[in-house]
Amino acid sequence: EVQLLESGGGLVQPGGSLRLSCAASGFTFSTYSMSWVRQAPGKGLEWVSAFSGSGGSTYYADSVKGRFTVSRDNSKNTLYLQMNSLRAEDTAIYYCAKDTGNIVAAIFDSWGQGTLVTVSS
Amino acid sequence: EIVLTQSPATLSLSPGERATLSCRASQSVNRFLAWYQHKPGQAPRLLIYDASNRATGIPARFSGSGSGTDFTLTISSLEPEDFAVYYCQQRSNWPPVTFGGGTKVEIK
Repeated sequence: EVQLLESGGGLVQPGGSLRLSCAASGFTFSTYSMSWVRQAPGKGLEWVSAFSGSGGSTYYADSVKGRFTVSRDNSKNTLYLQMNSLRAEDTAIYYCAKDTGNIVAAIFDSWGQGTLVTVSS
Repeated sequence: EIVLTQSPATLSLSPGERATLSCRASQSVNRFLAWYQHKPGQAPRLLIYDASNRATGIPARFSGSGSGTDFTLTISSLEPEDFAVYYCQQRSNWPPVTFGGGTKVEIK
């Protein structure tokens, strides 16, 4: 059974940094692309970033480009999202999502429960 | 960026009724459209991918149709567990991957 467990969320001041983690199990992590998707309070889903399986390609939404960095450690079956220069509008539940293949297909067939990030002074 | 517009915003129906949800794209996405179900406090769930393919384990009462710019998710007979928010998502032209604003299916 695929399991994705996010952690690392919390309260941070504007301009601060946070690193989210997503621990994966139940599948061969290194052979699947992964994404981060967020949901601001009372809003819909917004794709944030993707990391291909073994190719090492990364992709970002314009709203986070230059501030967020996605990475993965295939030896630890873990996906990361380093978030710098945080803004109030980054406040959201952050979900990690598993894609259906090695190359980013952007079909998210498994999701974690999410971790809440609150940016506020 | 491709904008997805979902309608209606809210659908009030009773268990056993048929639900028809719409998703319109600002430009053609061919058939590269997916549907997700999301309940409060839970992980989103993939229902349909590439317009009409049911994901693994999804009941047959869920069906998707459409191509180009107009898509429909149909729930043939609502079960109590189907009351949730539904999102469409395109992967035709990315980044960015984009989602619609959602349709809430609520109990009448």
